[in-house]
Amino acid sequence: NAGVTQTPKFQVLKTGQSMTLQCAQDMNHEYMSWYRQDPGMGLRLIHYSVGAGITDQGEVPNGYNVSRSTTEDFPLRLLSAAPSQTSVYFCASSSGSGDTGELFFGEGSRLTVL
Amino acid sequence: GQQLNQSPQSMFIQEGEDVSMNCTSSSIFNTWLWYKQEPGEGPVLLIALYKAGELTSNGRLTAQFGITRKDSFLNISASIPSDVGIYFCAGQLRGGSQGNLIFGKGTKLSVKP
Repeated sequence: NAGVTQTPKFQVLKTGQSMTLQCAQDMNHEYMSWYRQDPGMGLRLIHYSVGAGITDQGEVPNGYNVSRSTTEDFPLRLLSAAPSQTSVYFCASSSGSGDTGELFFGEGSRLTVL
Repeated sequence: GQQLNQSPQSMFIQEGEDVSMNCTSSSIFNTWLWYKQEPGEGPVLLIALYKAGELTSNGRLTAQFGITRKDSFLNISASIPSDVGIYFCAGQLRGGSQGNLIFGKGTKLSVKP
């Protein structure tokens, strides 16, 4: 069972570079989201989507863009990376009905911005 | 933004001891969940709670949804070395967007054999 798959697992960028973190899920989940995890800060919501074609901002959306063209994929884009975006990024999904809040997480993408 | 206060931040215990951690907030939650994260991996759901007062067990783990809807606790009985990890509480606010969770900052558990 693949579940939620994130790529890449590790990435090093220079300030100002752009990149996309990929996220795919094979559980036919309507809800997908991106969190960042920083030491001592827990997980903070960046963007989320309740279905294809619908996205919205979370707690810390600045510097990130998302799109949801299919149910399966939810990429996270950094247009101009900054050192403050050094973090571990987690993609998560849920069925969005009944099992409210029961998120399934990917293994994470560790990003370092120099 | 909304905050969950999770305590303790870290625990160092002997194998076989019981563990207790909790989360509190000034806001009311519809759902409380407890996740465990091991090094290099994403959080994995341990227990989900949906009703005030609900007490749910999963093996050696027991969690409760507080009566006021503003708190939750997780107990681990007879700890073992594989219990090591970071435990996160998470909640969905009453009136919040479905699926959006607020996470506590985590409790790092270390177990000495």
